[in-house]
Amino acid sequence: GAGVSQSPSNKVTEKGKDVELRCDPISGHTALYWYRQSLGQGLEFLIYFQGNSAPDKSGLPSDRFSAERTGGSVSTLTIQRTQQEDSAVYLCASTETGQIYGYTFGSGTRLTVV
Amino acid sequence: DQQVKQNSPSLSVQEGRISILNCDYTNSMFDYFLWYKKYPAEGPTFLISISSIKDKNEDGRFTVFLNKSAKHLSLHIVPSQPGDSAVYFCAASGSARQLTFGSGTQLTVLP
Repeated sequence: GAGVSQSPSNKVTEKGKDVELRCDPISGHTALYWYRQSLGQGLEFLIYFQGNSAPDKSGLPSDRFSAERTGGSVSTLTIQRTQQEDSAVYLCASTETGQIYGYTFGSGTRLTVV
Repeated sequence: DQQVKQNSPSLSVQEGRISILNCDYTNSMFDYFLWYKKYPAEGPTFLISISSIKDKNEDGRFTVFLNKSAKHLSLHIVPSQPGDSAVYFCAASGSARQLTFGSGTQLTVLP
């Protein structure tokens, strides 16, 4: 597609439920990143994919968070047993490998845990 | 430990005047710096970048300055326009080729 697509754009969930956030990167972009922005905070790195593998998962805040990428394209970020502190905007970006100035971000998924 | 810091959460300037946004970093291994702009309900978009081998990069109304000895960079917008009102994020990259972002500065340009 023309840009990075994220779905849903908004998600309200009850504490303790699982959620899945989807990212569809720009076609041909091999690198994919997940970030999140909590209220009043900067962009916090979560995980990086190169193709289907994740060489850097260091930003995932707990084992309730996981992510996968299939076919070198779509990625899913899963949060299990959501907590209120998980409320944030989750942003996905894609780029060609090594092209750090080429990050293209999606519009994000605003997650609210009530 | 924040490696990239934007100490001013907000800045207001008059239309036509200069906007100066500041950013400090702590990791001396960072060698590439970028500024992103973010409007509400949109993802951040790339604005301008600078390599550590330079101290200035200019693109139209936007200029980024890098002071490596002070580990400080700044973004100058001249002249500021109401459409420039947005959140500006400073970002840095090292050998890992991932971006570390600051917390952002909300710029408001008053007409």
